[in-house]
Amino acid sequence: IAGITQAPTSQILAAGRRMTLRCTQDMRHNAMYWYRQDLGLGLRLIHYSNTAGTTGKGEVPDGYSVSRANTDDFPLTLASAVPSQTSVYFCASSERASSANEQFFGPGTRLTVL
Amino acid sequence: GQNIDQPTEMTATEGAIVQINCTYQTSGFNGLFWYQQHAGEAPTFLSYNVLDGLEEKGRFSSFLSRSKGYSYLLLKELQMKDSASYLCAVLDSNYQLIWGAGTKLIIKP
Repeated sequence: IAGITQAPTSQILAAGRRMTLRCTQDMRHNAMYWYRQDLGLGLRLIHYSNTAGTTGKGEVPDGYSVSRANTDDFPLTLASAVPSQTSVYFCASSERASSANEQFFGPGTRLTVL
Repeated sequence: GQNIDQPTEMTATEGAIVQINCTYQTSGFNGLFWYQQHAGEAPTFLSYNVLDGLEEKGRFSSFLSRSKGYSYLLLKELQMKDSASYLCAVLDSNYQLIWGAGTKLIIKP
């Protein structure tokens, strides 16, 4: 089934630990995005990638890193987790960057940092 | 700064009509999106407007006025399954989506 998958579905993590959230899409979309969603706030862009091999910083990039080694995968890494990174994380993709294409979202990862 | 405003919560009755408003101030404008998000799920695309006017798609319609920085989503013949959050998002001059906090719509029988 075409779409975006994310793993894990949920995770409880001790502060200071390293964590990688996985995201894979099979739609051959060029652009991919990582958002976090917190209660009372809109989705906030963490990092994005316009095409394989390139990445860029979004609105709230501090404490996060990404890589885009190929078209399908876009992992998000928290080098040393802090409680303020407790959130729901959504990965999304769109056919092309710098265009008005709709974004397709994965099911999300619910992360709790204690 | 960039700002998207929409009501936090609205309540409507099954079978009725509801209008969810969104006002925006952004650096540039390349269109406005509406997404639906059921509790615990991912956002899904509803509509895209880039020109002024009304776009109708079944029970859902979306309106845009660029001069007023204003949009609304109109839902007709409300069904219980329409209970969800509705997210307004503007594509800015850098083609990045700026998101509102969402409007939680509660449908009562």
